[in-house]
Amino acid sequence: SQTIHQWPATLVQPVGSPLSLECTVEGTSNPNLYWYRQAAGRGLQLLFYSVGIGQISSEVPQNLSASRPQDRQFILSSKKLLLSDSGFYLCAWQRDRGPTNTEAFFGQGTRLTVV
Amino acid sequence: GIQVEQSPPDLILQEGANSTLRCNFSDSVNNLQWFHQNPWGQLINLFYIPSGTKQNGRLSATTVATERYSLLYISSSQTTDSGVYFCAVELVGGGSNYKLTFGKGTLLTVNP
Repeated sequence: SQTIHQWPATLVQPVGSPLSLECTVEGTSNPNLYWYRQAAGRGLQLLFYSVGIGQISSEVPQNLSASRPQDRQFILSSKKLLLSDSGFYLCAWQRDRGPTNTEAFFGQGTRLTVV
Repeated sequence: GIQVEQSPPDLILQEGANSTLRCNFSDSVNNLQWFHQNPWGQLINLFYIPSGTKQNGRLSATTVATERYSLLYISSSQTTDSGVYFCAVELVGGGSNYKLTFGKGTLLTVNP
């Protein structure tokens, strides 16, 4: 069966410090991978998605970047954190497919507080 | 882009009551999912239901794709049902393919 791992679970970082959040998927190959952010107030916003190694699409301009160095690894980064980067970050995966769509599954999330 | 509206935004129930949550979407979709966000923030998959009706224990869901809405039914609610319920959809084709757009959720509180 497939599983998704995301770490760390919580993180407190000072303004201006770098960030690296990691997400890995097991039990599948060539998944579509996603980073979402949930700010206070509930809504989830898609930040980045990737359909393959080295292929990153950004949904919103921001202080963050994403990379996919391996098939089942997705990394969210920042060189210098801002207060506004605080939030709950969720990684998700979907099985790669053509015209048939499948469920998305989410990791446990990382709660980031920038102080 | 596609609009996803959930109602009601907040719902308070007594344990044992039934409820219906609604999700309206503005365009044709390939994928529709319902999630429950638990107190620790994790999104738990409830249903993958782009059309039709499914049931899982006390929960059931119906999506009427032609009328662009989905309903989530919770029967005999329990305190553990508390949390935020999200509807998320994936647009058919175009530049929005491969991504889920979320509604703002329904915050359900079940009191003992």
